[in-house]
Amino acid sequence: GEDVEQSLFLSVREGDSSVINCTYTDSSSTYLYWYKQEPGAGLQLLTYIFSNMDMKQDQRLTVLLNKKDKHLSLRIADTQTGDSAIYFCAGLGPGGSYIPTFGRGTSLIVHP
Amino acid sequence: DVKVTQSSRYLVKRTGEKVFLECVQDMDHENMFWYRQDPGLGLRLIYFSYDVKMKEKGDIPEGYSVSREKKERFSLILESASTNQTSMYLCASSNDRDTFYEQYFGPGTRLTVT
Repeated sequence: GEDVEQSLFLSVREGDSSVINCTYTDSSSTYLYWYKQEPGAGLQLLTYIFSNMDMKQDQRLTVLLNKKDKHLSLRIADTQTGDSAIYFCAGLGPGGSYIPTFGRGTSLIVHP
Repeated sequence: DVKVTQSSRYLVKRTGEKVFLECVQDMDHENMFWYRQDPGLGLRLIYFSYDVKMKEKGDIPEGYSVSREKKERFSLILESASTNQTSMYLCASSNDRDTFYEQYFGPGTRLTVT
């Protein structure tokens, strides 16, 4: 099955860019996701990318997918204190599966 | 707007008690899920259901059971709570008609077993 790895912590200054990285094992993953969990809340889908895309941009968010290296990244431009949260990378396998495999989550801490 | 609600935000139970965690979604979603979230371990799937009265084991079903008598409601049951079941429990739902299978999460129930 799919295995998804990501580093546990990232600390940045307000206004800087944040880059959260993720690696996955299943090269046939159809969708790759970034979910955000704010303190005391459940997860919420932030963005996703289909496996035939290399990049997706949505306002301050840029997702890059390197299929050869099985590497997914999320870049947040002009990071704000409100971006402090846990970010989960997740992958969805092929074959009709509708259950994503989640990474352990990266805690992003934004310093003023 | 999809809403997934969980019956309690915080729960404290004693070892050996039977515990019910309830989850309700209001968007007619076919699929429902129970996860537990522990620091450093991320989300682990306990059970899921793709239809009323249907259930499938996830990665860590031991010590848990589930019930789905109505489409909108999915219950997680701890038959005899133990201290190692102290955790955050998250319910989620998803829609078969959704092309990218977004999962919608409830706010979580933080369960402490003493």
